[in-house]
Amino acid sequence: GQQLNQSPQSMFIQEGEDVSMNCTSSSIFNTWLWYKQEPGEGPVLLIALYKAGELTSNGRLTAQFGITRKDSFLNISASIPSDVGIYFCAGRVTDSWGKFQFGAGTQVVVTP
Amino acid sequence: DTGVSQDPRHKITKRGQNVTFRCDPISEHNRLYWYRQTLGQGPEFLTYFQNEAQLEKSRLLSDRFSAERPKGSFSTLEIQRTEQGDSAMYLCASSLSRLAGRLNTGELFFGEGSRLTVL
Repeated sequence: GQQLNQSPQSMFIQEGEDVSMNCTSSSIFNTWLWYKQEPGEGPVLLIALYKAGELTSNGRLTAQFGITRKDSFLNISASIPSDVGIYFCAGRVTDSWGKFQFGAGTQVVVTP
Repeated sequence: DTGVSQDPRHKITKRGQNVTFRCDPISEHNRLYWYRQTLGQGPEFLTYFQNEAQLEKSRLLSDRFSAERPKGSFSTLEIQRTEQGDSAMYLCASSLSRLAGRLNTGELFFGEGSRLTVL
């Protein structure tokens, strides 16, 4: 099962509001990835993070690699209806250069 | 389209039958991953290859599951004697793993997935 704790599990927000979600782990990670998945599709990569403290933006999305290396945050500013979907974090343990572990996802619903 | 492609997108089978999924990664990517995703969950790691070598397998990959990447390009995932609990989305991802210096990036790029329903 999942070893990453992702929260919140779901969010119901109004268009124009900001969204924040996070992932935490008991392990130290060397990489964090954030994905968006829509029904019936594969996850689409949004942002990749490689250094503790790193802050990276992709349009209205901003993600940070926590300084403890055990957490990461994703923010969506000024949400729009097309932001609807499930957002996943994925992390790779420091002594592993192979597999990524995924969180259980945050479902975002945007109402007009 | 030069992304990761998976085939078939959907497969419905009866319990006890064998099924095979194929994944064609992004052409220059040397790593290929298989994940399984059930409703309401994040993807769960099954196995990954670097070129043709299978480097890691999850305990989720029972002896009914076998994955191959014979020439280091496309990969197949076969499930023998399917069970209803095998019903899931099977996701393939690829990445380019560079070990130059001390930095190994290698973001995972996923395909659309193959949805398996076992009746």
